Amino acid sequence: GDQVEQSPSALSLHEGTGSALRCNFTTTMRAVQWFQQNSRGSLINLFYLASGTKENGRLKSTFNSKESYSTLHIRDAQLEDSGTYFCAAERATGYQNFYFGKGTSLTVIP
Amino acid sequence: EAAVTQSPRSKVAVTGGKVTLSCHQTNNHDYMYWYRQDTGHGLRLIHYSYVADSTEKGDIPDGYKASRPSQENFSLILELASLSQTAVYFCASSVNWGGSQNTLYFGAGTRLSVL
Repeated sequence: GDQVEQSPSALSLHEGTGSALRCNFTTTMRAVQWFQQNSRGSLINLFYLASGTKENGRLKSTFNSKESYSTLHIRDAQLEDSGTYFCAAERATGYQNFYFGKGTSLTVIP
Repeated sequence: EAAVTQSPRSKVAVTGGKVTLSCHQTNNHDYMYWYRQDTGHGLRLIHYSYVADSTEKGDIPDGYKASRPSQENFSLILELASLSQTAVYFCASSVNWGGSQNTLYFGAGTRLSVL
């Protein structure tokens, strides 16, 4: 089964508002990355976390390995934040792989 | 900034034909990966490599071969393309595995349509 469960699958936000995206893991992960896939299909690195919290502008991400989840908070949403957001988790054991969630499609409404 | 370049950006292939997707990185990274993305799904690992002249199977290797002739170049080969291989393919690189900052850097993707 899926090792990364991402929610919600879709989200609409009005400009200036915020929300949180979440990834739950069914097995122990050693790190997580968050990406934004823009309208051109490019995957843009947002965060890499092995633990704790990182913040960059209007984005903040947390990774809790012990409780097997990660979150991405978006505040003061702007139109350019629209796109699909993916988390990708590094398995703690086994061969090299990043397990991707199915993504959250974010639409920011003027 | 990391640079991963894929070619071609899009391709139409015929069923049963051979397709080669190419990837070139200028990051001096040891690890390179091939993922495929299907509508409604995240990315799934096909093959990866951590050193030149060696490749490893990922989660969905069936129907695909990979080649890593040098540190900079990593190819994905579909010997007999099938309809089910229509997807967007992404190449990525990373510094190492198990390190403190194993960030994946992606290419722009190749949209493959098999008819």
